[in-house]
Amino acid sequence: AQKVTQAQTEISVVEKEDVTLDCVYETRDTTYYLFWYKQPPSGELVFLIRRNSFDEQNEISGRYSWNFQKSTSSFNFTITASQVVDSAVYFCALLRGGNNDMRFGAGTRLTVKP
Amino acid sequence: DAGVTQSPTHLIKTRGQHVTLRCSPISGHKSVSWYQQVLGQGPQFIFQYYEKEERGRGNFPDRFSARQFPNYSSELNVNALLLGDSALYLCASRMGLSTDTQYFGPGTRLTVL
Repeated sequence: AQKVTQAQTEISVVEKEDVTLDCVYETRDTTYYLFWYKQPPSGELVFLIRRNSFDEQNEISGRYSWNFQKSTSSFNFTITASQVVDSAVYFCALLRGGNNDMRFGAGTRLTVKP
Repeated sequence: DAGVTQSPTHLIKTRGQHVTLRCSPISGHKSVSWYQQVLGQGPQFIFQYYEKEERGRGNFPDRFSARQFPNYSSELNVNALLLGDSALYLCASRMGLSTDTQYFGPGTRLTVL
């Protein structure tokens, strides 16, 4: 079975604070892909990052960084110096290799207060 | 370049009616997937179509059906609507069949009264 768990339902921070969103996944496959999407109030899911199971290199993109650890089945997302525009629901998702059913976590609602 | 487009934006129906939702993928993308997102939850996979053929189906009843046209656009049909069908319906497109990155449209919010 494959499953994605985002234990943090809601997080509230003050602008300029750093915040980490947790994602833990379960799969028996050796080939899989992990994703993070942002969903602002408008509803559209905005693609942020994709990692495959063979690449454990951490990635940084501006204020965003991702920590992929296969040993703990985690793919955590950190926003540095958060801004009000970062307020949204963030989803972690898992796609098995050769499969078409992307499994999403329940999402973490991030509120950044000015 | 235009992203994934969906129509209509909002829709209100009553129980027992049927509904058709439409999606146009990103130019060059041949695969379209449909997801249902109930309020407060993550999206759930309904269908995937690739080159006009169904390539995957989630755990949804037969009241849900879809098709893909030669121009790769797609329709999702839901018959005999139930209150529980109220949700945001998201369409996503990707270039190939499975592991390419999916890009989502803005969704259609369906309310069933």
